Amino acid sequence: AQSVAQPEDQVNVAEGNPLTVKCTYSVSGNPYLFWYVQYPNRGLQFLLKYITGDNLVKGSYGFEAEFNKSQTSFHLKKPSALVSDSALYFCAVRDGGSNTGKLIFGQGTTLQVKP
Amino acid sequence: DAGVIQSPRHEVTEMGQEVTLRCKPISGHDYLFWYRQTMMRGLELLIYFNNNVPIDDSGMPEDRFSAKMPNASFSTLKIQPSEPRDSAVYFCASSFGTGSYNEQFFGPGTRLTVL
Repeated sequence: AQSVAQPEDQVNVAEGNPLTVKCTYSVSGNPYLFWYVQYPNRGLQFLLKYITGDNLVKGSYGFEAEFNKSQTSFHLKKPSALVSDSALYFCAVRDGGSNTGKLIFGQGTTLQVKP
Repeated sequence: DAGVIQSPRHEVTEMGQEVTLRCKPISGHDYLFWYRQTMMRGLELLIYFNNNVPIDDSGMPEDRFSAKMPNASFSTLKIQPSEPRDSAVYFCASSFGTGSYNEQFFGPGTRLTVL
């Protein structure tokens, strides 16, 4: 069965500091991995994805994520956090060998960036 | 492209009334998903369609909920009768295929309040 875990309900960082939002996954085949961001009173917005290739994936708004197959992780990172990055972040996974478009989402991590 | 369109954006109704939420997916997308988001339960997948056919409705809470997709450009989620515990934000999302480009695109959501 596919699953995603985001071990932290909330991450607090100071503006200008690097940030990491953690995600681990479990799939039977090759993982397709995604990060989404949700700002207050908005729908989820796609940030980046890993399908194959380079383990370091770059996405929108300066975010990047590193795929680590041995640790089954796909942590979201940004070198220098902005107050405007404060939002709810979701990791999602799909088994690349499956014939369904369904994604499994984590429970979300609230990122709070303080000035 | 206008993105995924949902209507209404806000709905306030009284317990026992019928509620219909509407969604127009992105043109050309063949998957459509209905999600519900609450503080207590997070983001839940209710049902999804592929080529207008319901594939998995295991997330539908009970028989009071029903969803239809009469054509590729329109879907409805109906609650009859509504109850206060149905109060949530309901999101519609669409995606294309099962290959490398199947990130889901979310609508802005419908905030439902059942009094």
